[in-house]
Parts: sequence; structure tokens; C-alpha cells
Amino acid sequence: AQRVTQPEKLLSVFKGAPVELKCNYSYSGSPELFWYVQYSRQRLQLLLRHISRESIKGFTADLNKGETSFHLKKPFAQEEDSAMYYCALSTLNYGGSQGNLIFGKGTKLSVKP
Amino acid sequence: DGGITQSPKYLFRKEGQNVTLSCEQNLNHDAMYWYRQDPGQGLRLIYYSQIVNDFQKGDIAEGYSVSREKKESFPLTVTSAQKNPTAFYLCASSINRGSGELFFGEGSRLTVL
Repeated sequence: AQRVTQPEKLLSVFKGAPVELKCNYSYSGSPELFWYVQYSRQRLQLLLRHISRESIKGFTADLNKGETSFHLKKPFAQEEDSAMYYCALSTLNYGGSQGNLIFGKGTKLSVKP
Repeated sequence: DGGITQSPKYLFRKEGQNVTLSCEQNLNHDAMYWYRQDPGQGLRLIYYSQIVNDFQKGDIAEGYSVSREKKESFPLTVTSAQKNPTAFYLCASSINRGSGELFFGEGSRLTVL
């Protein structure tokens, strides 16, 4: 069954330190993966998608099909990065009743001064 | 100002009562979704709609109902059959079901007394 796992509920780092939010997926088809972010008192919004291979706000994420991972990384964390981060998998190719995206349970990132 | 508008933001309901949450979008998107967000559970899909007059059950549709009579509107009714309705509900839309870029509303928090 398709599944997204974010093993850390909470990740706390100091400003300037590197940060890596882990995401592993289980999917029999060709995966399309996304990272969504929810800052305090703001809407959930798309941060980046693996197809774009872009860097947004200094964050990057590489799809590793061998390890079935899509970890989100940033070399130097900033206080404004503190937020809830969700990894999401598109199951459109698979069909079934699960609609468009399957979300992980989320990781709360706290960047301390 | 384009986007997704959910109302009300906060809603209290007595047990046994049905309640309807509103979701309106002016993005001209074909697909709309309802998710439930619980602490530590991530986002779980309740219903989705690919086009007007069509909708499909998600993973946790029991106790909920929806309609899609207009492209702009996708209201969610939480019925008395929903055993644990107290939650944060998020509405989203995307240009079509194949897009992994979802635009979210600010959410509605339902509390059953």
C-alpha cells in the first residue's frame, strides 16, 4: 500500500545549523513527491516538488528511488524556517480511492536562536 | 483576492446535530478536496471532487457528505453519524486532479460539545 512516513514528530536545531527533515515513501508506481509547509497562523502551502528540482527558501529535496526517500535539506537553518512540514506523495498513477495526495504525519521544525 | 475561503473558522456543535462547513474558491480550479487534520495524524482525505456534479470518497468518508453543484463551491456536512467529529478541517483545490499543487483554505475548527 502507498504510504508516506515522516519519522520525526519534532526536530529542534539552532540557527545556522544544517537541517534535514526525513521522508520515506512506499509506492509501487512512479512517485511524484512534494513538500508542504505550514507557518504559524498561515495556510498550508506548497514548498517544493521533486520534478522541479528547484531550491525554495534555501531548501532542496532529492528523490532517491533506491532508498525510497525524499528528505528535505537546508544547509543553514533560520528562525523563520520554524514551521510544520509535510511530505506528500501523489498516487494519481495508482488510481483507487485515495484521490490526489497522501500526506505524512508531519514534522515540526523548531529553529532556536 | 484569489484563493480558498472557508467558513466558519470556529464552530461548536451539540452531539447529534449535523453541521455544514463552507468552502468557496475563485481560482477556477476543477478539483476540490476536504481533509481532516488531527494532531499527530497529518492530513487525511475525506472527499474529493474532480469536476462539477462529481465527487468521490476518500480514506475517511464515513459520517461525512459533500456536494458539488457549482465549480466554486464544495461544502462539507459533518453528520451525527461521524463518531469523532471534533477536528480541524481543511479545504483545498487544484487546477485539476493531476496537479500535486494544492491551494488550501485557512481551515475550520469544529468542536462537538
